[in-house]
Amino acid sequence: QQQVKQSPQSLIVQKGGISIINCAYENTAFDYFPWYQQFPGKGPALLIAIRPDVSEKKEGRFTISFNKSAKQFSLHIMDSQPGDSATYFCAASKRQAGTALIFGKGTTLSVSS
Amino acid sequence: GAVVSQHPSWVICKSGTSVKIECRSLDFQATTMFWYRQFPKQSLMLMATSNEGSKATYEQGVEKDKFLINHASLTLSTLTVTSAHPEDSSFYICSALGQSGSGRNEQFFGPGTRLTVL
Repeated sequence: QQQVKQSPQSLIVQKGGISIINCAYENTAFDYFPWYQQFPGKGPALLIAIRPDVSEKKEGRFTISFNKSAKQFSLHIMDSQPGDSATYFCAASKRQAGTALIFGKGTTLSVSS
Repeated sequence: GAVVSQHPSWVICKSGTSVKIECRSLDFQATTMFWYRQFPKQSLMLMATSNEGSKATYEQGVEKDKFLINHASLTLSTLTVTSAHPEDSSFYICSALGQSGSGRNEQFFGPGTRLTVL
């Protein structure tokens, strides 16, 4: 499996602050980059995803920035709230339909009130 | 949105017994489903890709005789952990490949099954 590297491993942000999580990938065949949010004891839920033909995608307080030349993408959570406290995983998959996701190691976000 | 269920949500079994976990796509058909394993505070690791009507494709290092996968219908895939041992204790998560509202292929994840082997 090609690796997807995620950082930081953990993150503490004050309420109202910006949370930033970064990921880097190696395989240029990847063409789908989703972010998942996971609460303890639950399955991951898709938060937002991007394809390499755009450099940024925004949905509400969540923004993905994508740098194709650097093979990096990041998640920005604006106005972070305590309810955002969860583990976030970046992932990547290849062009063909039906290929599995390769996950980063995850970032545990704690938003303090 | 597309919903994927798993049953049971948690199971405790004795060492040496077998456990079956079901993954169902409730409101869509999925020719492809995936099984992941997640240890505490770690990432999801792909175990196998399950295609309806054919044999599953296992990732390197995953024993196919220990983790039996059956995808007998377009809405159901099962994972059977045979002769379970304490080291098999983990969170098992399935996903089903479906279409998002925008028409793109997307994996929809189940809620996971917590397996504890005593």
